[in-house]
Amino acid sequence: ETGVTQTPRHLVMGMTNKKSLKCEQHLGHNAMYWYKQSAKKPLELMFVYSLEERVENNSVPSRFSPECPNSSHLFLHLHTLQPEDSALYLCASRTLREGRSPLHFGNGTRLTVT
Amino acid sequence: GDSVTQMEGPVTLSEEAFLTINCTYTATGYPSLFWYVQYPGEGLQLLLKATKADDKGSNKGFEATYRKETTSFHLEKGSVQVSDSAVYFCALSDETSGSRLTFGEGTQLTVNP
Repeated sequence: ETGVTQTPRHLVMGMTNKKSLKCEQHLGHNAMYWYKQSAKKPLELMFVYSLEERVENNSVPSRFSPECPNSSHLFLHLHTLQPEDSALYLCASRTLREGRSPLHFGNGTRLTVT
Repeated sequence: GDSVTQMEGPVTLSEEAFLTINCTYTATGYPSLFWYVQYPGEGLQLLLKATKADDKGSNKGFEATYRKETTSFHLEKGSVQVSDSAVYFCALSDETSGSRLTFGEGTQLTVNP
């Protein structure tokens, strides 16, 4: 149990589908993150929310749309994806306190776009 | 800007061998340093951390010492087990990076019985 829960664990979707990834944290953290992890590539930071406001958007295509309704929940809405978007999507959270606290990760959603 | 460089993998060892995974960093501030581990099919887990120079982080037999003079944070374990097979990531965070952690590219470790 990591304290950060992601659902679903696996998702297969066609390029015309719309789906959402969900992340929930029970650690009392005030910042939440989406990362993309592709095979043979470094971790890519996608979005950061601090106190429910988006503070970082790392040149991510508009077919990925994040939503943070409160400090415990984070969503990633997906539409019109491409096969190259297939990857492991990781959610993480932390307490932003002098920028030195570690991230706590969920187990990820393995996304396959067909 | 900040950066983290890890030794390239993959690394393959026999059980009970000594492990070193090198990590060096550049940072504009005074960073905290972390090692994360990712087991197959899972997310990243914090393995250990150090927040200031000469601190030693340790957990599950792994150790790393924050060396400011060599800007390094090498991961070591005296006797690896098959269950240590995973990908290991070095990372840093400092005051100037705001909300961002900077990760290395990860090192795949395989331990054979």
